[in-house]
Amino acid sequence: DIQMTQSPSSLSASIGDRVTIICRASQSISSYLNWYQQKPGKAPQLLIHAASSLQSGVPSRFSGSESGTEFTLTISRLQSEDFATYYCQQSFNVPYTFGQGTELEIK
Amino acid sequence: QVQLVESGGGVVQPGTSLRLSCVASGFSFSSYGMHWVRQAPGKGLEWVAVISYVGSNKSYADSVKGRFTISRDNSKNTLYLQMNSLRPEDTAVYYCGKDPSKVSWLGYIEYWGQGSLVTVSS
Repeated sequence: DIQMTQSPSSLSASIGDRVTIICRASQSISSYLNWYQQKPGKAPQLLIHAASSLQSGVPSRFSGSESGTEFTLTISRLQSEDFATYYCQQSFNVPYTFGQGTELEIK
Repeated sequence: QVQLVESGGGVVQPGTSLRLSCVASGFSFSSYGMHWVRQAPGKGLEWVAVISYVGSNKSYADSVKGRFTISRDNSKNTLYLQMNSLRPEDTAVYYCGKDPSKVSWLGYIEYWGQGSLVTVSS
């Protein structure tokens, strides 16, 4: 199975900050990398698919990039509604594994 | 708009069975692959299974293979997860999700249901 490792596991930031979350795959997954946001007690929501394609309706302050097996989710200017847990997921092959999550908290 | 509504969760004893349902609306259900994903209390997301649009192709996580069966009834716009030989480690919120691909699947979830809690405990 492909292992997905996110860093950091948790992150404290302030409104207006620029934030970066990293996800590393244990092998090449091309651009088959997706990002989700989950708020407490709610279902996850798709933010980005194919490493850098913004899902419809997602604010443009969210962006994704890739370099080899390392993928990055960037939030350019944090808003209050962005404090949540973020997961990466590979869709290169089954089983479709997720990272362990990054909890983004208010500083 | 796309809506996915899960049901069928509850408290069951180890070794027993349970069937989850997910009723879909707002899109052509019979044209899209569908997934189940679960989340144990306080833990991360775990992909469980996927099924193609007519149900001919399926894939499972190793942790549920041979115990869980994903199926669908396109005439009822409903996705199912039959769970047999349940274990305490199957305790989780189970989400159904729509794949963006027609015919087969791309492997990610563009719309999620609200989830159904399954608790396996004696």
